[in-house]
Amino acid sequence: EVHLLESGGGLVQPGGSLILSCAASGFTFNNYAMNWVRQAPGEGLEWVSGISGRSGRTFYADSVKGRFTISRDNSKNTLSLQMNSLRADDTAIYYCAKVLTSVTATIAGKYFFGSWGQGTLVTVSS
Amino acid sequence: EIVLTQSPGTLSLSPGETATLSCRASQSVSGNSLAWYQQRPGQPPRLLIYDASRRAPGIPDRFSGSGSGTDFTLTISRLEPEDFAVYYCQQYDSSPPLTFGGGTKVEIK
Repeated sequence: EVHLLESGGGLVQPGGSLILSCAASGFTFNNYAMNWVRQAPGEGLEWVSGISGRSGRTFYADSVKGRFTISRDNSKNTLSLQMNSLRADDTAIYYCAKVLTSVTATIAGKYFFGSWGQGTLVTVSS
Repeated sequence: EIVLTQSPGTLSLSPGETATLSCRASQSVSGNSLAWYQQRPGQPPRLLIYDASRRAPGIPDRFSGSGSGTDFTLTISRLEPEDFAVYYCQQYDSSPPLTFGGGTKVEIK
């Protein structure tokens, strides 16, 4: 069974930094692209960033490009999101999401999400 | 960027009825690269449909997806109490960015 567990959320001041982590289990981690999707309180879903399974090719939404960095450690089955220069509008629940199909059946960047973690809340406020 | 517009914003129905949800794209979504998700309160989203009409593993056949180009539909037959939730569509044809619709809430009438 796929299990995704996010951690690292919390309260941070505007302009500050935070690192989110996602511990993955129940599947061959390096065979699947991974993503971060966020949801502001009471709002809809917004894709943030994705990373391919083996090559580590990365993709970002314009709203976070240059401020956030996604990475993965395939030896530790861990996905990370380094968030810098945080703003109030970055306040959201951040979900770790695994694509449904493996690298052999997924076009890089064209992702949809078969499994989700429970999310970690990031609050940016002074 | 492909913008997805979902309608209606809220659908009020009774258990046992059929829900029809719409997702319209600002430009054609090639390869039927569209997914649907269900989100219950306090829960992460759950994949229902991908490639516009393929049910995800474990999803009951009460859920069906259809459409192509710019117009897509999620149909939920014989609504069960657990089906009252918010539903999102998502395109993965043109990326980045991957984009979601604004959601349709299916509520109990």
